[in-house]
Amino acid sequence: GQNIDQPTEMTATEGAIVQINCTYQTSGFNGLFWYQQHAGEAPTFLSYNVLDGLEEKGRFSSFLSRSKGYSYLLLKELQMKDSASYLCAYMDSNYQLIWGAGTKLIIKP
Amino acid sequence: DGGITQSPKYLFRKEGQNVTLSCEQNLNHDAMYWYRQDPGQGLRLIYYSQIVNDFQKGDIAEGYSVSREKKESFPLTVTSAQKNPTAFYLCASSIGEGLAYNEQFFGPGTRLTVL
Repeated sequence: GQNIDQPTEMTATEGAIVQINCTYQTSGFNGLFWYQQHAGEAPTFLSYNVLDGLEEKGRFSSFLSRSKGYSYLLLKELQMKDSASYLCAYMDSNYQLIWGAGTKLIIKP
Repeated sequence: DGGITQSPKYLFRKEGQNVTLSCEQNLNHDAMYWYRQDPGQGLRLIYYSQIVNDFQKGDIAEGYSVSREKKESFPLTVTSAQKNPTAFYLCASSIGEGLAYNEQFFGPGTRLTVL
């Protein structure tokens, strides 16, 4: 079974802030990725964290706590175009990506 | 423009037929991957290749085959042995294996429907 977990769906309002959580369990860890995927399209890279702490990139920030097996993606000043699925994935000891099922984010006006 | 192309975007096949999905990249990446995406599930790795003329099975390789005769190309064949082939197939590439920061770049995907 999967050892990476994220909520299936979240809803937020345009202009607001939303935090998407991701938890994982692994003995070997080489970093955690966040990707954005619009319906029917390819995932696109958002962020990579390998050290604990917060990485900020414009409206999007990603946080990692390796000791807790926990990451979150923070989206600020939400826009309608942010409606998409957000995929987290950790890189294991074999440098393979293990993917979560994705969180579908619905933005309402 | 560098990138990854997959064709076709939509593909319909009759049950029992083999079908080949193409994937081409001009990013000069060594590593290439095939994933399958089903509703409510994460991306699942079918096959990957770190170098020309070499490839390894992923988690769900049964019923699939690949080749890597050229660095730029990594076609996937969905054989009649694959019991549930209808899915969204994504091809990806990255600079190489064994790197901690190894962003994967994805193609637009092929949606295969077996009738």
